[in-house]
Amino acid sequence: DGGITQSPKYLFRKEGQNVTLSCEQNLNHDAMYWYRQDPGQGLRLIYYSQIVNDFQKGDIAEGYSVSREKKESFPLTVTSAQKNPTAFYLCASGGTSGRTDTQYFGPGTRLTVL
Amino acid sequence: AQSVTQPDIHITVSEGASLELRCNYSYGATPYLFWYVQSPGQGLQLLLKYFSGDTLVQGIKGFEAEFKRSQSSFNLRKPSVHWSDAAEYFCAFIGGGSYIPTFGRGTSLIVHP
Repeated sequence: DGGITQSPKYLFRKEGQNVTLSCEQNLNHDAMYWYRQDPGQGLRLIYYSQIVNDFQKGDIAEGYSVSREKKESFPLTVTSAQKNPTAFYLCASGGTSGRTDTQYFGPGTRLTVL
Repeated sequence: AQSVTQPDIHITVSEGASLELRCNYSYGATPYLFWYVQSPGQGLQLLLKYFSGDTLVQGIKGFEAEFKRSQSSFNLRKPSVHWSDAAEYFCAFIGGGSYIPTFGRGTSLIVHP
């Protein structure tokens, strides 16, 4: 079955550590996205990528980094520069042909800073 | 500025009652509109979308939404709510030259037995 997988489901980090969240899709989508979700704030875009080896900052990119070496994969690194990283992180993928393309979401990773 | 607003943070309904969740957008032209549902600890699932044509859109799980240009609204409705509908609902829109949606802050639906 086609879909998006995220791992791990739960992640704990000590302050000062970098952690990497995995996102893989087998939907053959060109575009991939990372969102951060906090209670009552909806989804905020961190980074997005339209094509391999290219990505753009979203609204809240500070303290995060990404790579897009393969079409199927778009890992997110939460660096020690991110001061408040505890949140629910969602990965999504979609087409780039236009505004009619729908985003498909993974199940999410909950990151907690200890 | 382009934006989407969900005025209700929480909505409580009794099982079997009808439901309407509000969504308003701010945009100069007709946007592309979406409703997503999120169960606790899960990702988002698309319920329905509106691009053009018939302003009443049917979705999955018995949901429908109506686009009203005069009111800049895209409200989600269901005639009879089931306990399994308890979840977070997000309205989203795409406007201008972008293909990246802007999400509302969400409405939490609570269903009483």
